[in-house]
Amino acid sequence: SQTIHQWPATLVQPVGSPLSLECTVEGTSNPNLYWYRQAAGRGLQLLFYSVGIGQISSEVPQNLSASRPQDRQFILSSKKLLLSDSGFYLCACASSTVMNTEAFFGQGTRLTVV
Amino acid sequence: ELKVEQNPLFLSMQEGKNYTIYCNYSTTSDRLYWYRQDPGKSLESLFVLLSNGAVKQEGRLMASLDTKARLSTLHITAAVHDLSATYFCAVASFNAGGTSYGKLTFGQGTILTVHP
Repeated sequence: SQTIHQWPATLVQPVGSPLSLECTVEGTSNPNLYWYRQAAGRGLQLLFYSVGIGQISSEVPQNLSASRPQDRQFILSSKKLLLSDSGFYLCACASSTVMNTEAFFGQGTRLTVV
Repeated sequence: ELKVEQNPLFLSMQEGKNYTIYCNYSTTSDRLYWYRQDPGKSLESLFVLLSNGAVKQEGRLMASLDTKARLSTLHITAAVHDLSATYFCAVASFNAGGTSYGKLTFGQGTILTVHP
């Protein structure tokens, strides 16, 4: 079964500082990968998704970016954080070939921008 | 654009009672998922519903899907305190050929509190 590693678990960063969150997946090949953000303990907003290496789709305009340098690695970045970037960031993974499977989530990174 | 709406958003239940959470979605899909989230934690998959009329049960929770009505329900039977959590439904949307990515759009979540 697949395992998603996400780090760090918590992060406190000053406004204007850069950000790099990493997600790696084990136990599957060529997965679809996703970055979600959850603000204030409520709904999940899809930020980016990727169907393959170097293929990134952005769902919302923002000062965040994503990259997929390897098949099972997904990175979320920012050059300059804003206060509004605070939230709970979740990486998710789903099979690209098996249609009847759900997305599995990493443990999340709680980001506080101060 | 796919929209997913849950209701109620807040649910306070007494132990032993029954209740239902509703999930409505706006476009055709036959892939619906239910997740549970405990405070400060990630999401745990509960149910995968893949066709019209699908019904899944696990313990005191039962989920169903009506694709014609674009409605899924999560029924709670004889609630216990351990069920207190936030419950999300999510609907998958695919590319035109139905062979590529499955993008999940989430409802707002239902915060369930079960008290004695």
